Amino acid sequence: DGGITQSPKYLFRKEGQNVTLSCEQNLNHDAMYWYRQDPGQGLRLIYYSHIVNDFQKGDIAEGYSVSREKKESFPLTVTSAQKNPTAFYLCASSPRDRGETQYFGPGTRLLVL
Amino acid sequence: RKEVEQDPGPFNVPEGATVAFNCTYSNSASQSFFWYRQDCRKEPKLLMSVYSSGNEDGRFTAQLNRASQYISLLIRDSKLSDSATYLCVVNMQSNYQLIWGAGTKLIIKP
Repeated sequence: DGGITQSPKYLFRKEGQNVTLSCEQNLNHDAMYWYRQDPGQGLRLIYYSHIVNDFQKGDIAEGYSVSREKKESFPLTVTSAQKNPTAFYLCASSPRDRGETQYFGPGTRLLVL
Repeated sequence: RKEVEQDPGPFNVPEGATVAFNCTYSNSASQSFFWYRQDCRKEPKLLMSVYSSGNEDGRFTAQLNRASQYISLLIRDSKLSDSATYLCVVNMQSNYQLIWGAGTKLIIKP
């Protein structure tokens, strides 16, 4: 089965702690994305990557970091600099980065203790 | 003005009724348009792309009006399972990123 997996489903962060959200895809897609969704709002782009070893900041990159060492994987780290991290985090991929349809993983819900 | 705007709803509609959503976008150079569906606490899933000529998929019809910069989604003979939030998505040609509306919540009542 081809698809996108995210883990964990729920994640709890303590004050001052960095946490990493996993995103893996076996669709052979070049482009991958991280979004944040807050209640009643649309998706906001955090980071995106067109190709391995390259990534770009989205609209709300502050307090987040990513890596793209493998085509299949695009982990997101929520650092202690992100002061309001409670949100639903969604990872997506598309064949290329040309405004095409994006396919999403099931999401990770991050809560601050 | 937001780049992509939708009526947040909720739209409360009886089963079997027809419901229409509109979405406006600000960038006249936008090239790609989509409707996604998102169930509560789940990821968005593509419902349909929107083409210039309009397109239909079963009970769902999407239209694009470039002159007025809006897209619409029509759902006929609504089912209880249509209850969800419908997200309007527009591609900004300059950087190929997708811009997401906040969504319109639809509740179908028996």
